[in-house]
Amino acid sequence: SAVISQKPSRDICQRGTSLTIQCQVDSQVTMMFWYRQQPGQSLTLIATANQGSEATYESGFVIDKFPISRPNLTFSTLTVSNMSPEDSSIYLCSVDRGLAGNTIYFGEGSWLTVV
Amino acid sequence: GENVEQHPSTLSVQEGDSAVIKCTYSDSASNYFPWYKQELGKRPQLIIDIRSNVGEKKDQRIAVTLNKTAKHFSLHITETQPEDSAVYFCAATGYNQGGKLIFGQGTELSVKP
Repeated sequence: SAVISQKPSRDICQRGTSLTIQCQVDSQVTMMFWYRQQPGQSLTLIATANQGSEATYESGFVIDKFPISRPNLTFSTLTVSNMSPEDSSIYLCSVDRGLAGNTIYFGEGSWLTVV
Repeated sequence: GENVEQHPSTLSVQEGDSAVIKCTYSDSASNYFPWYKQELGKRPQLIIDIRSNVGEKKDQRIAVTLNKTAKHFSLHITETQPEDSAVYFCAATGYNQGGKLIFGQGTELSVKP
């Protein structure tokens, strides 16, 4: 079974609307990470989601545009707000379950198209 | 923070030839370096990784080398096949980063039959 269950897998969204992506992990993890991959580009880290505190955003990403929730140690959501066609991307969550080193898992990804 | 540079951006080889993709990193505290393969319409998949306590790791036709002094690591694919055609990404992180990966820009590999 999958380490991370991510949904939706795909969606077509109207300009100006918001969409929330969910990631459920099969065990407790301290940090969860959200990435964006725009068409033809590499993966860029959006933010780190910690349980019990605000997410830490990377340069170029702001909370108003990408609000993140982390209500417990197995779940997180990323909302893409007020979407424009430039937000059409793959969004991925990831966790590290390594005890003595990195063992990083990715969700299946959410393919969003904004029209 | 960490910065990862990847070259080349595109690479075309004949079937059976070798392919080499190179990455450099900036943070000497980074100690874990995975490589991902992404086929069209799919998420990136881990194909091989290396930790800073080793200099080379092999898995069949794929190998990765790491030079900590120079802060660069490379992916080597031997006896390339058309199904190796994909985009490859390198990444780096440190043990105290909790799994936060910084990715290179990607290399589009094309293997011509």
